[in-house]
Amino acid sequence: GAVVSQHPSRVICKSGTSVKIECRSLDFQATTMFWYRQFPKQSLMLMATSNEGSKATYEQGVEKDKFLINHASLTLSTLTVTSAHPEDSSFYICSARPWAIENEQFFGPGTRLTVL
Amino acid sequence: QKEVEQNSGPLSVPEGAIASLNCTYSDRGSQSFFWYRQYSGKSPELIMFIYSNGDKEDGRFTAQLNKASQYVSLLIRDSQPSDSATYLCAVNRQGGSEKLVFGKGTKLTVNP
Repeated sequence: GAVVSQHPSRVICKSGTSVKIECRSLDFQATTMFWYRQFPKQSLMLMATSNEGSKATYEQGVEKDKFLINHASLTLSTLTVTSAHPEDSSFYICSARPWAIENEQFFGPGTRLTVL
Repeated sequence: QKEVEQNSGPLSVPEGAIASLNCTYSDRGSQSFFWYRQYSGKSPELIMFIYSNGDKEDGRFTAQLNKASQYVSLLIRDSQPSDSATYLCAVNRQGGSEKLVFGKGTKLTVNP
C-alpha cells in the first residue's frame, strides 16, 4: 500500500513552454501533498505544501505564479511549471501524507524535467 | 549554519561491515527524525524514523537520537552492496509541522 505515482516520469520541453506534472496517491487519500525540487548532487528542497481544496503554501523564494499547484482532490495534485527556462531543469518529486498517518510521507518516483 | 548537516562522503565500507551515518540539526525544537535512502535517479524511500532519545532498531538498521547534542545517526549492520546509495537525513521543523528539512545526504558505497 501507500503508493504514489507521478506522470510524466521524464519530460523535455522548449524554453517558454509550460509543463504539467501530476502526482497521484493510488491507494490512499492524501490530505496533504508536498512538492520538492532536487538539483544534481543537492538535497531535496521543499517548494510548496498543498492541501486539498485550498491554496498551496509556498516556501520562501519559490514563485507561486511560476509554479502553479492545484490540489483538486484527495488523490491528485498537479504542478505546472509556467514559461519554463533552462534553470528550471531539475528533478521534481511529490510526496503525499495519508490522512490517518501522522509524520509520514510517501514519495512519488519523481519527474525529470529538461528545458532546452 | 545549515539546518540539517550531513557528511557528504563518499563513505566506503566493505561488505559485511557496519556503516555509520551521521546527521546534526540546528533547530532544537525539532521533533521527528527520518532516514531516507535514495538510489541514483530515483526518489527517496523511507528507511525509518525516530522520535525519542535512544536507539531504535529495525532489522539491520539502527537509528540513534540524542536531542541534547542535536545528533541523529543511522547504523547499517552487515552492509550489502545493495545498500550502496545516498542516505538522506530529514527533520520535522519545530512545532510538529509536517514539513521536512533534508540534509544533502551521505553517499555510501559498500564494496563486495
